[in-house]
Amino acid sequence: KAGVTQTPRYLIKTRGQQVTLSCSPISGHRSVSWYQQTPGQGLQFLFEYFSETQRNKGNFPGRFSGRQFSNSRSEMNVSTLELGDSALYLCASSLPQSREQYFGPGTRLTVT
Amino acid sequence: KNQVEQSPQSLIILEGKNCTLQCNYTVSPFSNLRWYKQDTGRGPVSLTIMTFSENTKSNGRYTATLDADTKQSSLHITASQLSDSASYICVVSAPYSGGGADGLTFGKGTHLIIQP
Repeated sequence: KAGVTQTPRYLIKTRGQQVTLSCSPISGHRSVSWYQQTPGQGLQFLFEYFSETQRNKGNFPGRFSGRQFSNSRSEMNVSTLELGDSALYLCASSLPQSREQYFGPGTRLTVT
Repeated sequence: KNQVEQSPQSLIILEGKNCTLQCNYTVSPFSNLRWYKQDTGRGPVSLTIMTFSENTKSNGRYTATLDADTKQSSLHITASQLSDSASYICVVSAPYSGGGADGLTFGKGTHLIIQP
């Protein structure tokens, strides 16, 4: 079974721009969670989607948004990028009612 | 507030030596605790999962222990190898009814470096 895939793997953007990251979960997994990881803060929960609905949301500004499609694929968008948004963005999927999270390889975003 | 504290923040040991990583949590009530290994630039991969009733669980050279009374867990690595160089993240789950990320509290991880 294929694992969680994320595209692109690396991205360089300029301050003020916006970016869209994509995540394809493991087949059969309907829950997709997004995390931001920085060296100082560790893994920070952004939001979670289940059956195209946002189920949980972390403490991030409204510039961070996401959505999930009917095939469970998910995208997250960051608008008006700031230097502090430079991080590894991880996506994780899980089966319904399971908290066993399977992580993708991440997208490394660098904002200059 | 639920918290997970890991120590040390970073650790350097020689190849072949053993080491122990610590995880203390305040999550209550408690459902289970997971240890993840994260190689640089990659996503975390689950090593072990322990429920309230389990004291010890092994996965090859990795052995996790759990003391639910003191809310402490440790991850012991035996005969370390260069490939063990990674960050190790402790994640504690509360027994909420939802799945996915509901009720998860993450530690900041221990960065382990194995030197030849």
